[in-house]
Amino acid sequence: GAVVSQHPSRVICKSGTSVKIECRSLDFQATTMFWYRQFPKKSLMLMATSNEGSKATYEQGVEKDKFLINHASLTLSTLTVTSAHPEDSSFYICSGLAADPRHYEQYFGPGTRLTVT
Amino acid sequence: GNSVTQMEGPVTLSEEAFLTINCTYTATGYPSLFWYVQYPGEGLQLLLKATKADDKGSNKGFEATYRKETTSFHLEKGSVQVSDSAVYFCALAGSARQLTFGSGTQLTVLP
Repeated sequence: GAVVSQHPSRVICKSGTSVKIECRSLDFQATTMFWYRQFPKKSLMLMATSNEGSKATYEQGVEKDKFLINHASLTLSTLTVTSAHPEDSSFYICSGLAADPRHYEQYFGPGTRLTVT
Repeated sequence: GNSVTQMEGPVTLSEEAFLTINCTYTATGYPSLFWYVQYPGEGLQLLLKATKADDKGSNKGFEATYRKETTSFHLEKGSVQVSDSAVYFCALAGSARQLTFGSGTQLTVLP
């Protein structure tokens, strides 16, 4: 199947700093990428939908100025957590959707564990 | 809107036991249905899928049948292994291709 990578896999940062997480589709073009947040022992919460070349669409309750999403190419989307606080500590997962509209399958990255101290 | 209701966990089974994890959904139109598996500390992996009514998805001994009449997509495996221990998520994708996830079911298989 298609492969999505995330970098870094783990990051620890101090409160008030910003952290960038990269999501790459390695062997397919992803016109759409999704960013999820997962709390311990909880399901995935969709944060935003990112379409290549356009602004991301954020879910209700997600602060767009805090979680900056850029989808500059068909293989790369980035999530920047700005002015991070301990409550932003979480597992962040991205997924890519193939450009072919016949495909409904999202391919998930391995996730990034963010810890804000 | 779309929603997925999944059997609450955790589920603990002995090796070689039969597994069923119930999943029902509410959706407009004709969604595609999925089961994803998440191993500790990892992202999600697609386990199986079904894109239309009466389709049966299968993989690694797991099966699920898309039942439109009961709006269900229950996951089954005849004989679980310790290596099947993970969290299982039922999900649907509507016309916008966004996934709606169930709450996840933690499965632990004991030797």
